[in-house]
Amino acid sequence: KNQVEQSPQSLIILEGKNCTLQCNYTVSPFSNLRWYKQDTGRGPVSLTIMTFSENTKSNGRYTATLDADTKQSSLHITASQLSDSASYICVASADSWGKFQFGAGTQVVVTP
Amino acid sequence: SQTIHQWPATLVQPVGSPLSLECTVEGTSNPNLYWYRQAAGRGLQLLFYSVGIGQISSEVPQNLSASRPQDRQFILSSKKLLLSDSGFYLCAWSVKGAGPYSNQPQHFGDGTRLSIL
Repeated sequence: KNQVEQSPQSLIILEGKNCTLQCNYTVSPFSNLRWYKQDTGRGPVSLTIMTFSENTKSNGRYTATLDADTKQSSLHITASQLSDSASYICVASADSWGKFQFGAGTQVVVTP
Repeated sequence: SQTIHQWPATLVQPVGSPLSLECTVEGTSNPNLYWYRQAAGRGLQLLFYSVGIGQISSEVPQNLSASRPQDRQFILSSKKLLLSDSGFYLCAWSVKGAGPYSNQPQHFGDGTRLSIL
């Protein structure tokens, strides 16, 4: 069973609009939660890394939140641009010697 | 600045043939190195990681092997490819932290698309 579940599986939004992606994880003990952006045919690029003590972290128009009690994270994209079209991957890590658990990703398509 | 190179970008191989994918990192020393496989619609699966020259840890039993002959070179190999080896292979590096899965970000190459016929 996958320990990281992402929703929705895919999302279509209009350019300029905001959207929020969800990630639920079950890894324990928990170390950190990462969000990556992966363009088609390219490798993932790190957006944010949050430890269990952090609630929010921003990277430009991307804002990630973390609730370690409910084991939920979200990634909010503000004022979407065409270049935001990509797959967004949530990754949960169990303690510093633990293993990464990758979600299957949310495919975001931004249309003009 | 640091860069990571993977080649080839795409590869088509017959079943039973050997495989060698290469990954090199520039601009850093003594990195942690990783090989992942990404299947369509599924999350990345960690195949191997390395914390130093000649030190390889395997995460899942499989038809593949990895080697690290130099500090910034990581090679993924197979003696005989299977149809199930098809996929998108990604190499990544990170700086040393508290362990191989530290809080440091991973930096990925652009991958190799491997198709087995």
